[in-house]
Amino acid sequence: KAGVTQTPRYLIKTRGQQVTLSCSPISGHRSVSWYQQTPGQGLQFLFEYFSETQRNKGNFPGRFSGRQFSNSRSEMNVSTLELGDSALYLCASSLAGYVDEQFFGPGTRLTVL
Amino acid sequence: SQQGEEDPQALSIQEGENATMNCSYKTSINNLQWYRQNSGRGLVHLILIRSNEREKHSGRLRVTLDTSKKSSSLLITASRAADTASYFCAPRMDSSYKLIFGSGTRLLVRP
Repeated sequence: KAGVTQTPRYLIKTRGQQVTLSCSPISGHRSVSWYQQTPGQGLQFLFEYFSETQRNKGNFPGRFSGRQFSNSRSEMNVSTLELGDSALYLCASSLAGYVDEQFFGPGTRLTVL
Repeated sequence: SQQGEEDPQALSIQEGENATMNCSYKTSINNLQWYRQNSGRGLVHLILIRSNEREKHSGRLRVTLDTSKKSSSLLITASRAADTASYFCAPRMDSSYKLIFGSGTRLLVRP
């Protein structure tokens, strides 16, 4: 069974631009969560989707948004990029309704110049 | 917040020694999970212990949970260089759809 895949793996953008990151969960998994990881703030929860519905959202500004499609694939979008958005963005999927035993993708490394 | 806080922040041991990491949290939980992250990569789920369990084993891993003290510990026995990684605990509250990770323990196993 294929693992969680994230595309692209690396991305360089400039301030003010927007970016879309993609995540394909493990087949059959319906819950997808997104995290931002930085050296200063650590791993921070962004949002979680289940069956195309956002069930929970972390404390991030509205520039961060996401969605989930009917095939469970998910995208997150960051608009008006700031230098502080440089981070490793991790996607995780889980089988059950509650986020137990999450399977993580390799992440997308975003650099904002 | 139910965020787990790991202790110590960093740990350096010799190969073959045991490594113990601790996690404390603030609210009642449904379960607590431990994850490992190798440098700059995705996290790997290690073990899940439910609130009604006190101890759980998986290979060289042993996890304990004390809900009265709101704490958990992860013991890695007979450590190997390949165990070098960051370890995170993630408590999950009842009816919660998110995991809140702590800052992790960075483990270095010297060959």
